[in-house]
Amino acid sequence: ETGVTQTPRHLVMGMTNKKSLKCEQHLGHNAMYWYKQSAKKPLELMFVYNFKEQTENNSVPSRFSPECPNSSHLFLHLHTLQPEDSALYLCASSQVPGGGADTQYFGPGTRLTVL
Amino acid sequence: GQNIDQPTEMTATEGAIVQINCTYQTSGFNGLFWYQQHAGEAPTFLSYNVLDCFEEKGRFSSFLSLSKVYSYLLLKELQMKDSASYLCAVRDSNYQLIWGAGTKLIIKP
Repeated sequence: ETGVTQTPRHLVMGMTNKKSLKCEQHLGHNAMYWYKQSAKKPLELMFVYNFKEQTENNSVPSRFSPECPNSSHLFLHLHTLQPEDSALYLCASSQVPGGGADTQYFGPGTRLTVL
Repeated sequence: GQNIDQPTEMTATEGAIVQINCTYQTSGFNGLFWYQQHAGEAPTFLSYNVLDCFEEKGRFSSFLSLSKVYSYLLLKELQMKDSASYLCAVRDSNYQLIWGAGTKLIIKP
């Protein structure tokens, strides 16, 4: 059981489609994260938002566009993706980024397949 | 570069003990995390250590040695439900989490 939800859980899209991933956290946290998880590879941090402001963009291609309208919601807008973008996209939240035992809590992820 | 090393896969028997190791090379150190991730599910927090320690939480224990830049997760009295991937992550000097690729643990009856 987790306080972070993600929709959809599965998504199949063509390279010319536009879709969005949604994440919502019910933990009262102030920081939210997008990660990409590919098979047998470490989690790749994509974006970090702290109090709705983007504080990290780890050289992510512009075909991924994040949006954080408030501290509880995070979106990842997708357009003209490539097959190598197929992966599990995980959302996480934490009280604040960095410092002490600031633990990140994860959603179940969206399994994305790009055809 | 920064790197977290952990075995790709391990197999153990139900009721036994297994130790999953993690070594790290990072720019600074501000704590080490262990997460459990069942297939198709969210990673869930298991432990956080920042000083040399051996910490027990029920059947799971975590060990950290700062001088050896090494940690392990010890699982006792293994159950089938412990079949999962175990992720090691280190927070570096910039408070960024550096993740290992995870260890897939297979439990056999």
